[in-house]
Amino acid sequence: KAGVTQTPRYLIKTRGQQVTLSCSPISGHRSVSWYQQTPGQGLQFLFEYFSETQRNKGNFPGRFSGRQFSNSRSEMNVSTLELGDSALYLCASGIRLAGYFGELFFGEGSRLTVL
Amino acid sequence: AQSVTQLDSQVPVFEEAPVELRCNYSSSVSVYLFWYVQYPNQGLQLLLKYLSGSTLVKGINGFEAEFNKSQTSFHLRKPSVHISDTAEYFCACSTQGGSEKLVFGKGTKLTVNP
Repeated sequence: KAGVTQTPRYLIKTRGQQVTLSCSPISGHRSVSWYQQTPGQGLQFLFEYFSETQRNKGNFPGRFSGRQFSNSRSEMNVSTLELGDSALYLCASGIRLAGYFGELFFGEGSRLTVL
Repeated sequence: AQSVTQLDSQVPVFEEAPVELRCNYSSSVSVYLFWYVQYPNQGLQLLLKYLSGSTLVKGINGFEAEFNKSQTSFHLRKPSVHISDTAEYFCACSTQGGSEKLVFGKGTKLTVNP
Protein backbone atom coordinates (compact mmCIF):
# COMPACT_ATOMS: atom_id res chain seq x y z
CA LYS A 1 0.00 0.00 0.00
CA ALA A 2 1.49 3.33 -1.04
CA GLY A 3 2.12 5.84 1.74
CA VAL A 4 1.34 9.52 1.90
CA THR A 5 3.03 11.40 -0.92
CA GLN A 6 3.94 15.04 -0.71
CA THR A 7 5.24 17.22 -3.51
CA PRO A 8 7.49 19.04 -3.89
CA ARG A 9 9.95 17.86 -1.25
CA TYR A 10 12.02 21.02 -1.29
CA LEU A 11 11.35 24.50 -2.57
CA ILE A 12 12.78 27.98 -2.25
CA LYS A 13 10.66 31.09 -2.61
CA THR A 14 11.13 34.79 -1.98
CA ARG A 15 9.08 37.04 0.27
CA GLY A 16 5.76 38.07 -1.22
CA GLN A 17 5.44 35.05 -3.48
CA GLN A 18 2.89 32.32 -3.04
CA VAL A 19 3.31 28.56 -2.86
CA THR A 20 1.11 25.52 -3.36
CA LEU A 21 1.93 22.18 -1.76
CA SER A 22 0.31 18.90 -2.72
CA CYS A 23 -0.55 15.79 -0.75
CA SER A 24 -1.85 12.42 -1.88
CA PRO A 25 -3.21 10.39 1.03
CA ILE A 26 -3.15 6.66 1.56
CA SER A 27 -5.79 4.97 -0.53
CA GLY A 28 -9.07 4.83 1.37
CA HIS A 29 -8.19 7.62 3.78
CA ARG A 30 -10.59 10.52 3.50
CA SER A 31 -9.12 12.70 6.22
CA VAL A 32 -6.09 14.86 5.42
CA SER A 33 -4.40 17.08 7.98
CA TRP A 34 -1.64 19.64 7.52
CA TYR A 35 0.99 20.63 10.08
CA GLN A 36 3.75 23.21 10.13
CA GLN A 37 6.95 22.16 11.88
CA THR A 38 9.61 24.64 12.95
CA PRO A 39 12.44 24.31 15.48
CA GLY A 40 10.97 27.00 17.71
CA GLN A 41 7.27 26.16 17.64
CA GLY A 42 7.34 22.42 17.05
CA LEU A 43 4.38 20.82 15.30
CA GLN A 44 1.49 23.19 14.78
CA PHE A 45 -1.84 22.14 13.35
CA LEU A 46 -2.93 24.05 10.26
CA PHE A 47 -6.17 22.41 9.17
CA GLU A 48 -7.92 19.14 8.46
CA TYR A 49 -10.10 18.21 5.53
CA PHE A 50 -12.55 15.37 5.35
CA SER A 51 -14.70 14.61 2.32
CA GLU A 52 -13.76 17.94 0.76
CA THR A 53 -14.87 19.91 3.84
CA GLN A 54 -12.63 21.68 6.31
CA ARG A 55 -13.33 20.03 9.66
CA ASN A 56 -10.82 21.75 11.89
CA LYS A 57 -8.60 24.79 11.65
CA GLY A 58 -5.58 25.86 13.63
CA ASN A 59 -4.56 29.35 14.65
CA PHE A 60 -2.93 30.57 11.45
CA PRO A 61 -3.60 33.73 9.42
CA GLY A 62 -5.83 33.69 6.38
CA ARG A 63 -2.75 33.58 4.12
CA PHE A 64 -2.77 29.85 4.80
CA SER A 65 -5.51 28.01 2.99
CA GLY A 66 -6.25 24.54 1.77
CA ARG A 67 -8.64 22.40 -0.14
CA GLN A 68 -9.43 18.78 -0.77
CA PHE A 69 -10.54 17.20 -3.99
CA SER A 70 -13.07 14.44 -4.56
CA ASN A 71 -10.26 11.86 -4.77
CA SER A 72 -9.11 12.97 -1.27
CA ARG A 73 -5.94 14.60 -2.58
CA SER A 74 -5.27 17.88 -0.84
CA GLU A 75 -3.41 21.08 -1.51
CA MET A 76 -2.39 23.87 0.77
CA ASN A 77 -1.55 27.36 -0.34
CA VAL A 78 0.40 30.10 1.37
CA SER A 79 0.11 33.56 -0.13
CA THR A 80 2.31 36.61 0.41
CA LEU A 81 5.12 34.56 1.89
CA GLU A 82 7.01 35.86 4.91
CA LEU A 83 10.42 34.79 6.20
CA GLY A 84 8.73 33.15 9.18
CA ASP A 85 6.87 30.77 6.88
CA SER A 86 10.09 28.83 6.34
CA ALA A 87 9.28 25.41 7.75
CA LEU A 88 8.67 21.77 7.09
CA TYR A 89 5.06 21.30 6.05
CA LEU A 90 3.74 17.86 6.88
CA CYS A 91 0.65 16.23 5.48
CA ALA A 92 -0.99 13.30 7.20
CA SER A 93 -3.89 11.10 6.27
CA GLY A 94 -6.08 9.07 8.54
CA ILE A 95 -9.39 7.52 9.34
CA ARG A 96 -12.18 9.55 10.86
CA LEU A 97 -15.11 7.77 12.45
CA ALA A 98 -17.95 9.03 14.62
CA GLY A 99 -16.42 10.01 17.94
CA TYR A 100 -12.98 8.74 16.97
CA PHE A 101 -10.05 10.38 15.31
CA GLY A 102 -7.33 7.84 15.08
CA GLU A 103 -3.70 7.73 14.27
CA LEU A 104 -2.25 9.73 11.42
CA PHE A 105 0.09 8.54 8.70
CA PHE A 106 2.57 11.19 7.67
CA GLY A 107 4.30 12.04 4.44
CA GLU A 108 7.95 13.05 4.37
CA GLY A 109 7.10 16.71 4.19
CA SER A 110 7.72 19.69 1.96
CA ARG A 111 10.57 21.86 3.16
CA LEU A 112 9.90 25.49 2.29
CA THR A 113 12.62 28.10 2.51
CA VAL A 114 11.61 31.75 2.13
CA LEU A 115 14.39 34.18 1.25
CA ALA B 1 -9.39 21.47 24.67
CA GLN B 2 -6.73 18.91 25.32
CA SER B 3 -3.01 19.60 25.71
CA VAL B 4 0.17 17.53 25.80
CA THR B 5 3.36 18.28 27.74
CA GLN B 6 6.61 16.49 27.10
CA LEU B 7 8.70 17.14 30.14
CA ASP B 8 12.15 16.79 28.58
CA SER B 9 13.21 18.52 25.40
CA GLN B 10 16.44 16.52 25.16
CA VAL B 11 17.46 13.15 26.59
CA PRO B 12 21.02 11.86 26.10
CA VAL B 13 21.71 8.22 26.95
CA PHE B 14 24.40 5.65 26.30
CA GLU B 15 23.84 2.68 24.03
CA GLU B 16 22.21 -0.33 25.75
CA ALA B 17 20.97 1.82 28.64
CA PRO B 18 17.24 2.02 29.45
CA VAL B 19 15.32 5.18 28.60
CA GLU B 20 12.04 6.80 29.61
CA LEU B 21 10.52 9.73 27.72
CA ARG B 22 7.87 11.48 29.74
CA CYS B 23 4.50 12.70 28.52
CA ASN B 24 1.60 14.23 30.43
CA TYR B 25 -1.75 15.20 28.98
CA SER B 26 -4.62 17.36 30.06
CA SER B 27 -8.20 16.72 29.01
CA SER B 28 -11.65 16.92 30.54
CA VAL B 29 -12.81 13.87 28.59
CA SER B 30 -11.42 10.44 27.80
CA VAL B 31 -8.48 10.38 25.45
CA TYR B 32 -6.64 8.35 22.89
CA LEU B 33 -2.85 8.56 23.17
CA PHE B 34 -0.06 8.06 20.66
CA TRP B 35 3.72 8.14 20.40
CA TYR B 36 5.40 9.03 17.11
CA VAL B 37 9.05 9.02 16.07
CA GLN B 38 10.69 11.32 13.54
CA TYR B 39 14.07 10.49 12.04
CA PRO B 40 16.06 13.33 10.42
CA ASN B 41 14.52 14.71 7.23
CA GLN B 42 11.56 12.36 7.44
CA GLY B 43 7.92 12.52 8.44
CA LEU B 44 6.50 11.08 11.63
CA GLN B 45 6.00 7.36 12.10
CA LEU B 46 3.59 5.82 14.62
CA LEU B 47 5.36 3.89 17.39
CA LEU B 48 2.36 2.83 19.45
CA LYS B 49 -1.13 3.85 20.53
CA TYR B 50 -3.46 3.52 23.47
CA LEU B 51 -7.17 3.39 22.66
CA SER B 52 -8.62 1.34 25.53
CA GLY B 53 -8.05 -1.83 27.50
CA SER B 54 -4.66 -2.83 28.87
CA THR B 55 -2.74 0.17 30.13
CA LEU B 56 0.59 -1.27 28.98
CA VAL B 57 0.98 -0.87 25.26
CA LYS B 58 3.72 -2.41 23.17
CA GLY B 59 4.90 -0.85 19.94
CA ILE B 60 7.48 -1.24 17.25
CA ASN B 61 11.25 -1.33 17.73
CA GLY B 62 10.95 -2.63 21.32
CA PHE B 63 9.21 0.44 22.72
CA GLU B 64 6.35 0.31 25.19
CA ALA B 65 4.25 2.88 27.04
CA GLU B 66 2.02 2.84 30.08
CA PHE B 67 -1.21 4.79 30.37
CA ASN B 68 -1.77 6.13 33.88
CA LYS B 69 -5.14 7.83 34.17
CA SER B 70 -4.70 9.05 37.74
CA GLN B 71 -1.41 10.75 36.85
CA THR B 72 -2.57 11.70 33.33
CA SER B 73 0.64 10.31 31.94
CA PHE B 74 1.72 8.17 29.01
CA HIS B 75 5.45 7.65 29.38
CA LEU B 76 7.46 5.85 26.69
CA ARG B 77 10.10 3.31 27.69
CA LYS B 78 12.70 1.06 26.14
CA PRO B 79 14.86 -1.29 28.24
CA SER B 80 17.94 -1.09 26.02
CA VAL B 81 18.45 1.56 23.34
CA HIS B 82 20.49 1.42 20.15
CA ILE B 83 22.31 4.11 18.21
CA SER B 84 19.56 3.83 15.60
CA ASP B 85 16.97 5.02 18.15
CA THR B 86 18.43 8.51 17.93
CA ALA B 87 15.47 10.60 16.75
CA GLU B 88 12.81 13.00 17.94
CA TYR B 89 9.81 11.52 19.72
CA PHE B 90 6.37 13.11 19.89
CA CYS B 91 3.51 12.32 22.21
CA ALA B 92 0.02 13.08 20.89
CA CYS B 93 -3.54 13.01 22.16
CA SER B 94 -7.02 13.08 20.70
CA THR B 95 -10.27 13.15 22.61
CA GLN B 96 -13.12 10.71 22.44
CA GLY B 97 -16.12 12.38 20.86
CA GLY B 98 -14.54 15.80 21.27
CA SER B 99 -12.94 18.16 18.82
CA GLU B 100 -11.39 15.13 17.19
CA LYS B 101 -8.11 16.87 16.62
CA LEU B 102 -4.72 15.27 17.21
CA VAL B 103 -2.65 17.53 19.48
CA PHE B 104 1.11 17.02 19.71
CA GLY B 105 3.64 17.74 22.41
CA LYS B 106 6.75 19.75 21.53
CA GLY B 107 8.88 16.65 21.16
CA THR B 108 11.82 15.04 22.95
CA LYS B 109 15.10 14.65 21.14
CA LEU B 110 16.67 11.33 22.12
CA THR B 111 20.40 11.04 21.45
CA VAL B 112 22.00 7.63 21.93
CA ASN B 113 25.75 7.81 22.39
CA PRO B 114 28.20 4.91 21.89
